[in-house]
Amino acid sequence: AQKITQTQPGMFVQEKEAVTLDCTYDTSDPSYGLFWYKQPSSGEMIFLIYQGSYDQQNATEGRYSLNFQKARKSANLVISASQLGDSAMYFCAMRESQFQGAQKLVFGQGTRLTINP
Amino acid sequence: ETGVTQTPRHLVMGMTNKKSLKCEQHLGHNAMYWYKQSAKKPLELMFVYSLEERVENNSVPSRFSPECPNSSHLFLHLHTLQPEDSALYLCASSQDGFAGGHGDTQYFGPGTRLTVL
Repeated sequence: AQKITQTQPGMFVQEKEAVTLDCTYDTSDPSYGLFWYKQPSSGEMIFLIYQGSYDQQNATEGRYSLNFQKARKSANLVISASQLGDSAMYFCAMRESQFQGAQKLVFGQGTRLTINP
Repeated sequence: ETGVTQTPRHLVMGMTNKKSLKCEQHLGHNAMYWYKQSAKKPLELMFVYSLEERVENNSVPSRFSPECPNSSHLFLHLHTLQPEDSALYLCASSQDGFAGGHGDTQYFGPGTRLTVL
């Protein structure tokens, strides 16, 4: 069963508008972490933001915020005041419990975000 | 050099060739990872090394052979590959052993785009 679901293959947004990228997850582990990464056309995966399952508040990092709804098992990424440089693939990932000292991340299919001038 | 570096950035090889991908992390991390990213598929975890010991091998064909000589370097040796092995190969590293939080965030290199003819 797919553990991370990103239902939006592509999104088109006007520059300076806010955009929400959806992510739902499935796990029975009470301890987990949720990550968002950005992948420009160059290929590098860039870490954006993290939300832990026990965190009481939604995570924020500059223009990025995470709308964490634990009961719904959703962790949507919100980008405020979008910029042309935000055009990229965005991946949601989940870390379940660690194994043998290293972590295991499961990634979603990704959403391709295009910012129009 | 900073972060995670990968060489070469692009590689074209025939099915009978032998080549190696190199990854180096300059972050002082103790875990390293190889991922495969094919078109229209989520990132697939291939190998995980923690403290230079392989802790995960996700049923990867034997034509892929990893090597981790120390905590800063990771190699992926390739031989007799198939055209379906063409993909972006991403290396990542993390500092593991954290009990929660995102201190164990995985940081990625720019990837090697591999084409098998």
